[in-house]
Amino acid sequence: ETGVTQSPTHLIKTRGQQVTLRCSSQSGHNTVSWYQQALGQGPQFIFQYYREEENGRGNFPPRFSGLQFPNYSSELNVNALELDDSALYLCASSLDRLAGAAQYFGPGTRLLVL
Amino acid sequence: TQLLEQSPQFLSIQEGENLTVYCNSSSVFSSLQWYRQEPGEGPVLLVTVVTGGEVKKLKRLTFQFGDARKDSSLHITAAQPGDTGLYLCAGASTGGGADGLTFGKGTHLIIQP
Repeated sequence: ETGVTQSPTHLIKTRGQQVTLRCSSQSGHNTVSWYQQALGQGPQFIFQYYREEENGRGNFPPRFSGLQFPNYSSELNVNALELDDSALYLCASSLDRLAGAAQYFGPGTRLLVL
Repeated sequence: TQLLEQSPQFLSIQEGENLTVYCNSSSVFSSLQWYRQEPGEGPVLLVTVVTGGEVKKLKRLTFQFGDARKDSSLHITAAQPGDTGLYLCAGASTGGGADGLTFGKGTHLIIQP
């Protein structure tokens, strides 16, 4: 059973650029959630995708967008990058979209915006 | 907005000692999860507690969910260097999965040999 994988592991961008982060969910999982973890903070919910549709969204602006593909892998896109977007971006997959479902996290993508 | 406050933020103790980490909120959660995160990795689920007053044990770790489902604690007995890491509590809202998990800021635990 393959766990959650994310790419790239590290990324450096400049303010105003756009970035795409990728996530492959664990086998059999149809739900993917994205979290942003700033330094010294706990993860903060960005949004969740269930069967290719956005199922819920946290307090993040529209320049954060996503996709989920038929194989349940997912992308997180961030436009017009700001310095405060520097963080560890975590993808988590789960067996279902229910509250409290066990989340299986990938190792994350560390994004630095200069 | 639901918030989870964890205490202490940092804890450094000697191997063999006992410790308790707290997770508190003014909000009710349908369930609460505890994760451990090590540097360069994503959080790993340790336990999920669902029922008010529930107690779960995982070897030397004991997790308790408050009667009102607003708070939780993690107690480690005879801590070992391998317990070192960032411990995060995360609550699931009563509104459903679309709200995602609300995480605390975490407790950085260092167990010195």
